[in-house]
Amino acid sequence: DQQVKQNSPSLSVQEGRISILNCDYTNSMFDYFLWYKKYPAEGPTFLISISSIKDKNEDGRFTVFLNKSAKHLSLHIVPSQPGDSAVYFCAATRNTGNQFYFGTGTSLTVIP
Amino acid sequence: SQTIHQWPATLVQPVGSPLSLECTVEGTSNPNLYWYRQAAGRGLQLLFYSVGIGQISSEVPQNLSASRPQDRQFILSSKKLLLSDSGFYLCAWSVRGTLHFGNGTRLTVT
Repeated sequence: DQQVKQNSPSLSVQEGRISILNCDYTNSMFDYFLWYKKYPAEGPTFLISISSIKDKNEDGRFTVFLNKSAKHLSLHIVPSQPGDSAVYFCAATRNTGNQFYFGTGTSLTVIP
Repeated sequence: SQTIHQWPATLVQPVGSPLSLECTVEGTSNPNLYWYRQAAGRGLQLLFYSVGIGQISSEVPQNLSASRPQDRQFILSSKKLLLSDSGFYLCAWSVRGTLHFGNGTRLTVT
């Protein structure tokens, strides 16, 4: 049973525009959420996270929004750059737990 | 600073052969350690995790096993590989809520 879902396998955006990547989860016990970026043949790298006590966290061009009632989070990248082209995974965990649950990823292509 | 080493980077093995992938973490103590697999076109599947030496939790029943002989060493093994074991294997560690990955091993079973 997939507890974290990324329903868009791919997304194409023009350079300079906003990229919005979406993620849904089903387990209301999750209270910490993370986004990772992955290039081919490399391990995922941590991008940004958010605790369930917040609804927004911003780090430079990256902002993560959390809507707990909808069990939905999104990653905004503004402005998008060609180097942002990668697969993005969202993940969820419980602060008291040891397991991280990942979505299936969204492949972002930023067109120059 | 913390670093994670995972080797080999690529591996081609015949069906029925054994497997041993090793992962070590430096710069931290008593980390949680993880093995994930990414099959072609799919997401990251948690295979095993460990909260301490000798403590292994398995998420998916399969012909793979894991061991943690030392605090910062995590090993993924198989006695006999199947074609379906092909994939990209990732070791990861966490201490306070964030997961950090190694560079992965691309395993091709032929």
